[in-house]
Amino acid sequence: DAGVIQSPRHEVTEMGQEVTLRCKPISGHNSLFWYRQTMMRGLELLIYFNNNVPIDDSGMPEDRFSAKMPNASFSTLKIQPSEPRDSAVYFCASSVYGTDSSYEQYFGPGTRLTVT
Amino acid sequence: GESVGLHLPTLSVQEGDNSIINCAYSNSASDYFIWYKQESGKGPQFIIDIRSNMDKRQGQRVTVLLNKTVKHLSLQIAATQPGDSAVYFCAEAFTGGGNKLTFGTGTQLKVEL
Repeated sequence: DAGVIQSPRHEVTEMGQEVTLRCKPISGHNSLFWYRQTMMRGLELLIYFNNNVPIDDSGMPEDRFSAKMPNASFSTLKIQPSEPRDSAVYFCASSVYGTDSSYEQYFGPGTRLTVT
Repeated sequence: GESVGLHLPTLSVQEGDNSIINCAYSNSASDYFIWYKQESGKGPQFIIDIRSNMDKRQGQRVTVLLNKTVKHLSLQIAATQPGDSAVYFCAEAFTGGGNKLTFGTGTQLKVEL
């Protein structure tokens, strides 16, 4: 079975450019989470969706960050404009909400973003 | 300038020995806990979970212990193998407050041959 799919795996961009990260959750999973991992701050939850609806976006750092989930099989995290301090590994994870396994999140391989 | 990163605790063990990784959680209302393993260059991977109505749960070569009195969680790995080298994170959740997890800072486990 395919796990969580993220693209691109690596992204290098210049400050000020728009960056779009993509995620395809595991088929049948209805919760989707976006995390950011840095040496400075560890693994931080940015936003999560249940049944395509944003539930908690309190971790989104600022208005430059936005996330969408137009359907059950696709989500994007957009940064516009990007800044060097956004450099991090961004993970997407999914789970099955509403069951005993609601908290068992499956992570994708991550997107390593470098903003120069 | 030079960036200051998180200081990850490191545990070094000999291959074949048992490992114990500790975690102090922050929210006394948390009632669900998970251990994740993250290998270099990969996303975190689920290892084992435990609910607050239990104080011990065993899996294959792993055991999680929960002490709610002191808000402490531990992961025991039996007969540690080189493939166990990774960063281990504990995560907590309050099941009455949505289905999100809050992750700890992690512990680096190094297995020496």
